[in-house]
This record gives sequence, structure tokens and C-alpha cells, in this order.
Amino acid sequence: DQQVKQNSPSLSVQEGRISILNCDYTNSMFDYFLWYKKYPAEGPTFLISISSIKDKNEDGRFTVFLNKSAKHLSLHIVPSQPGDSAVYFCATFNAGGTSYGKLTFGQGTILTVHP
Amino acid sequence: SAVISQKPSRDICQRGTSLTIQCQVDSQVTMMFWYRQQPGQSLTLIATANQGSEATYESGFVIDKFPISRPNLTFSTLTVSNMSPEDSSIYLCSATNRDEAFFGQGTRLTVV
Repeated sequence: DQQVKQNSPSLSVQEGRISILNCDYTNSMFDYFLWYKKYPAEGPTFLISISSIKDKNEDGRFTVFLNKSAKHLSLHIVPSQPGDSAVYFCATFNAGGTSYGKLTFGQGTILTVHP
Repeated sequence: SAVISQKPSRDICQRGTSLTIQCQVDSQVTMMFWYRQQPGQSLTLIATANQGSEATYESGFVIDKFPISRPNLTFSTLTVSNMSPEDSSIYLCSATNRDEAFFGQGTRLTVV
């Protein structure tokens, strides 16, 4: 049972435009939602997170939106740059309980930003 | 934030042998985990590395195949035992504090 789903395996956008990456989840008990970027042959790099009690968090070009009623979050990158081309994973994080600290990842979306 | 050093970064191993991967964090962290990313797939949690006691394994992973140690708050090892080509993956160490999770660069393992 896939608790975190990224239904788009790939996304292609033009440099300067907006990139929107989507993620759906099934468990309403997650405490935090995170986005990671991963280049080939490297470990995931933390991008941005959002607490389950918020609906938006912004950091520079990156904004994450959380829609709890729809169990959906999205990552917006504006403006997109060729260096943003990577695999993006959404993940959920439990800040307590028996699953404390564990991350559950989506399948990833390959973002390609064309010059 | 925490910086995680993981080594080796890559290795090519013969089937039937074992490889131990080391993970060092530059500050004390609450939790340490080991993940695996098989080719074309997402990251899957192998186990939680518990300080001074046996690791807690996720479904589908066992101690005999993936023995894990965590002798202190900042260091852990994962051993991939009796390797087969199916173990060819990227193995990642992760450390978490209150609401953040950090990753090492990963170990790319190829079993031939």
C-alpha cells in the first residue's frame, strides 16, 4: 500500500516558467511533509518542508502548499532554472509515536528544465 | 542542520561477499535510519538504527542479511551480507532531529 504517491513520473518545463510537482498521501496522521531533490549518484538534499498545521511555506523560489482536506501537497518552483533539473521526492515525517523520525517517500518525479 | 559522511561512496562486490557501509554524523542526532533505493524505485526504509541495542527492521528486511550497529549517537554501520546481484542498489544513511531529516551521499553498490 503506497502511502505517498507522486503520480507524474516526469515533468518538463521551460526555463523561467513555473514548475508544479504534486504529491498525494493517504495517512492524515503525518506531522510534516518534506520535499527532497536528488541528483544521480548523490543522496537526497532537503529542499523545503511544511508542518501539518500550516497550508503554505515559502523559501525563495520554492513554495509548498498543503491541502489537508484533499490530502495533497504541491511544490512550486518559480522561476524554474536548468539547475533545478533533478528527481524530486515528496516525503512524510512523523514527529512522534512509534514511527518517530521515519520518512515515507513517494516514487519521485523527474523534472527537466529546458533552457 | 547535520552533515552526514557516508563511505564508501561506491563499490563493486563479488556475490557471496559482505560489505559494511559507515555513516558518521557531525552532531548528535535523535534517530538514525538506513534506506535503500533500488534502480528506478523510491527510497525504502530498511531499519532504524538504535543506539546500543538491536536495530528495528521494517517488513521484508532481516538482521541476518542487514546487520546494523550504532555504538553511539553519531555513528552507525550497515552490512549487506552474502550479497547477490539483487542487492545492487543505493544505500542511504539518514539522521533526524525534531522535524528535519538529513541524508548522506549514499553508497552505490554493484554486485557482480
